[in-house]
Amino acid sequence: GQQLNQSPQSMFIQEGEDVSMNCTSSSIFNTWLWYKQDPGEGPVLLIALYKAGELTSNGRLTAQFGITRKDSFLNISASIPSDVGIYFCAGQPQTGNQFYFGTGTSLTVIP
Amino acid sequence: KAGVTQTPRYLIKTRGQQVTLSCSPISGHRSVSWYQQTPGQGLQFLFEYFSETQRNKGNFPGRFSGRQFSNSRSEMNVSTLELGDSALYLCASSLGAKTSTDTQYFGPGTRLTVL
Repeated sequence: GQQLNQSPQSMFIQEGEDVSMNCTSSSIFNTWLWYKQDPGEGPVLLIALYKAGELTSNGRLTAQFGITRKDSFLNISASIPSDVGIYFCAGQPQTGNQFYFGTGTSLTVIP
Repeated sequence: KAGVTQTPRYLIKTRGQQVTLSCSPISGHRSVSWYQQTPGQGLQFLFEYFSETQRNKGNFPGRFSGRQFSNSRSEMNVSTLELGDSALYLCASSLGAKTSTDTQYFGPGTRLTVL
């Protein structure tokens, strides 16, 4: 199956700092999705991307669909304590209809 | 529009028992996918149902099975439970048709504990 490489695996940052994480695939994807998961809850969709080069914002979050269609990036600006959680990337390849997930980035924000 | 719902939210079973989890997708969504999540293992794909048919399947033993009803609601069954089956089970729904803008939405999950 498809493999999504998500990095970094974990991040410890000071409140107010910016955060960047990325996800790469071995094949071309038509859709990239970014989710945030709080402990014991289901992942919540943050941003959905559908076109190569697309840059989409959701408040302090900005995500981009890489022009090669094999990667995506998520940036969080001016982090706050409630940003703590696990962030997952997901994508749907050009062929097939299954969604594939990255291994997650655990974010800790130090007040 | 109501989101994805899962019942029950919490479940405690003992080894050897079986369990059935339920998932109701977002109205209009025809695809339901199931995932197992354990600490350190990320989201492991179990299977996907679309229009009452299993369309994709992950690498789980036959003890894990599912089905989908005509109203798109789905159930997942695990037979002969093992301690290692303790996990958060998530379902996600999507339109399922091959479009350029399909998106998957998750339910809150069912926390299964096997004693």
